[in-house]
Amino acid sequence: DIQMTQSPSTLSASVGDRVTITCRASQSINTYLNWYQQKPGKAPNLLIYAASSLQSGVSSRFSGSGSGTDFTLTISSLQAEDFAIYYCQQSYSPPPFTFGPGTKVDIK
Amino acid sequence: QVQLQESGPGLVKPSQTLSLTCTVSGGSINSGNYCWSWIRQPAGKGLEWIGRIYFSGSTNYNPSLKSRVTISVDTSKNQFSLKLSSVTAADTAVYFCAREDIQLRPYFDYWGQGILVTVSS
Repeated sequence: DIQMTQSPSTLSASVGDRVTITCRASQSINTYLNWYQQKPGKAPNLLIYAASSLQSGVSSRFSGSGSGTDFTLTISSLQAEDFAIYYCQQSYSPPPFTFGPGTKVDIK
Repeated sequence: QVQLQESGPGLVKPSQTLSLTCTVSGGSINSGNYCWSWIRQPAGKGLEWIGRIYFSGSTNYNPSLKSRVTISVDTSKNQFSLKLSSVTAADTAVYFCAREDIQLRPYFDYWGQGILVTVSS
């Protein structure tokens, strides 16, 4: 199985900060990489698919980049509603699909 | 707007079979552009993909659970289902159903709200 790692595990930031989360795959996954945001008690919400494509309805302050094994999710200016846990997920064929362990973004 | 809704028992006894159903509304489960997945999340932990089914009935399962998992589809009811046998406390989790868009790079674009299943006697 392809293993996914994320760093940092927790990130403390303030409103208005630029935030970057890193995701690494144990082997090359091209751009088969998605990012999700999850708030307490809710299902994950798709932010970015195919490494850099913004999901419809998602704020443009979210952006993604990378290919191969190394990927980043950037929030250009953190807003109060962005405090959440962020997961990367690889969808490289064949399954199983795997998620990273998550990065919690909390208030500094 | 596509919506998914999980249903089933919230409490299952050890060694028994967990059975959940996901009802899809606002879109057809018969579309060749999508697969239908089950994903679970133990309290305070990360996400684990369980498996998926295509409208034709073709399935893929996580090898870590494959011996205990069966996913089926009922296109007439626009539903798909999960059965997980021989459950233990380690199977206690919130179970989500999700739609996977497979047209280009696969991703989960719609999720159910999740259902908590506790394994306990």
